[in-house]
Amino acid sequence: LAKTTQPISMDSYEGQEVNITCSHNNIATNDYITWYQQFPSQGPRFIIQGYKTKVTNEVASLFIPADRKSSTLSLPRVSLSDTAVYYCLVGLGGNQGGKLIFGQGTELSVKP
Amino acid sequence: SAVISQKPSRDICQRGTSLTIQCQVDSQVTMMFWYRQQPGQSLTLIATANQGSEATYESGFVIDKFPISRPNLTFSTLTVSNMSPEDSSIYLCSAGTEQGGYTFGSGTRLTVV
Repeated sequence: LAKTTQPISMDSYEGQEVNITCSHNNIATNDYITWYQQFPSQGPRFIIQGYKTKVTNEVASLFIPADRKSSTLSLPRVSLSDTAVYYCLVGLGGNQGGKLIFGQGTELSVKP
Repeated sequence: SAVISQKPSRDICQRGTSLTIQCQVDSQVTMMFWYRQQPGQSLTLIATANQGSEATYESGFVIDKFPISRPNLTFSTLTVSNMSPEDSSIYLCSAGTEQGGYTFGSGTRLTVV
């Protein structure tokens, strides 16, 4: 399973766009990129998943360059409630029946 | 997505005893997993719970310490055996299908004294 590297922490202010980049140099051809969000005292929650180019849903956008060696999670106009830990995962993912291996995650702190 | 009910939500146990954690899913799922999370740390996969057969354990985890059952497609248990203070952690169940993705329970906060 490909190893992921992401910043340990990030700070932002309400209303700003936040971009969290994840490096995964050893991503395999069949691997998907999945992002999860975790609040204190809760289990992780699925945010978005993609294979290449750009994916957008009601919560976030995921940008994946052509070489797929990195990806960027974009959160538009963050609020205080977006303060959480964000995990980037690479692997077969849920949609392919694979197991999820979590890296260290990025602790995002949104300030007023 | 599947909805997971995990019990107990927390417990304080004496060292040397065992605790069984239950994971109930509101729909049939193909995949179920158990994780451990130390406070302030990321999640570590313990094992994949296989329906009708022995669980598949990750490196560093063994069946004698963490026996897992999965009698059907909606239920699994994880037992933490012969507990020591080092087993104090949050244990999480995850479940889902290839089509629907995975969801997580809220976890069981275990304190061993």
